[in-house]
Amino acid sequence: EAQVTQNPRYLITVTGKKLTVTCSQNMNHEYMSWYRQDPGLGLRQIYYSMNVEVTDKGDVPEGYKVSRKEKRNFPLILESPSPNQTSLYFCASRGITSNAKLFFGSGTQLSVL
Amino acid sequence: RKEVEQDPGPFNVPEGATVAFNCTYSNSASQSFFWYRQDCRKEPKLLMSVYSSGNEDGRFTAQLNRASQYISLLIRDSKLSDSATYLCVVNEDQFYFGTGTSLTVIP
Repeated sequence: EAQVTQNPRYLITVTGKKLTVTCSQNMNHEYMSWYRQDPGLGLRQIYYSMNVEVTDKGDVPEGYKVSRKEKRNFPLILESPSPNQTSLYFCASRGITSNAKLFFGSGTQLSVL
Repeated sequence: RKEVEQDPGPFNVPEGATVAFNCTYSNSASQSFFWYRQDCRKEPKLLMSVYSSGNEDGRFTAQLNRASQYISLLIRDSKLSDSATYLCVVNEDQFYFGTGTSLTVIP
């Protein structure tokens, strides 16, 4: 089954404790992206990747890192989480044609205490 | 300046009603357009693409007006299961999302 797999689904942590949210897709998509969703603000892009070893900042990259060592995986790293990073996070992937549709992982609800 | 703007609602409509959502976008060079549906705290899922000629999928009709830079979604014969948030999405190399329009269909 074609899917984007994101883990964990829920995560509670404390300020400053490094964490990684994993994302994997099995559709051989070149493009992968991370979003955060906050009430009233909608989905905002954190980082994206057009292909292996190519990553770029989105609209809200501060406090986040990503890597794209393999085509299928695109982990999101919070080196030193802070409470303002408490949010619902989604990973997504798509092909690179102009009408390609975006497929989402099931989301990670992160709480930073 | 927001790339994509939607009326957040909420829209509360009775079963069987017809409801329409509109969305405006700011970049005239936008390439493709979509409506996504999102249930509470779950991932957005593609509802339908939006084409210049307009397109229909069952009870759902999407239209695009490039000259006025707006997109619409019409839902006919609303069902309880249509209750969700509907996201307008515009692709300008990157995907930009509206904040969503909340719909509740009431028995």
